Amino acid sequence: AQSVTQPDIHITVSEGASLELRCNYSYGATPYLFWYVQSPGQGLQLLLKYFSGDTLVQGIKGFEAEFKRSQSSFNLRKPSVHWSDAAEYFCAVYSSASKIIFGSGTRLSIRP
Amino acid sequence: DAGVIQSPRHEVTEMGQEVTLRCKPISGHNSLFWYRQTMMRGLELLIYFNNNVPIDDSGMPEDRFSAKMPNASFSTLKIQPSEPRDSAVYFCASTRGGKYETQYFGPGTRLLVL
Repeated sequence: AQSVTQPDIHITVSEGASLELRCNYSYGATPYLFWYVQSPGQGLQLLLKYFSGDTLVQGIKGFEAEFKRSQSSFNLRKPSVHWSDAAEYFCAVYSSASKIIFGSGTRLSIRP
Repeated sequence: DAGVIQSPRHEVTEMGQEVTLRCKPISGHNSLFWYRQTMMRGLELLIYFNNNVPIDDSGMPEDRFSAKMPNASFSTLKIQPSEPRDSAVYFCASTRGGKYETQYFGPGTRLLVL
């Protein structure tokens, strides 16, 4: 069965530091992969998505993610975080054979 | 442009009461999704409409839940009777195309069933 794992429940990084949020998926074929961000009290907003082609995907707000088929991963990165990046981040897999599956989320805190 | 609109934003009700959540998708979008978010279960897709037709309702937890989309600009999610375990934040999202397109989420309805 398809699944998405975000192994880090909560991460704290210093403002200006680099960030990497992990996402691992389980799916037999090439999945459609997404990263969403949710600010407190808000709905989810799409950061970026991968369907095919270049495995390094650029998104909004300076985020990028790299699809690595060999590792079944789609990690989200940002070279320098800002205090406004504090939020919860969700990885999602959309497969042709199943419904949309979201990871459990990673809560990002920013240390001043 | 107005985004996805949900009402009410907050709902507190007593167990056994009927609850109706409402959603207005972005104009021109033809797919609509209802999600439930809880601490225990995370974000779950409940039902997905395309062109007002329910395509996948396998996530609807049980018969107490029902969803309708009578036209392209309005959808409801109804819980009857409500139970405390239904307490959650319910999100509606819409896309211009099918489920693989970018989803635009509403602000959510926070439901508390006492």
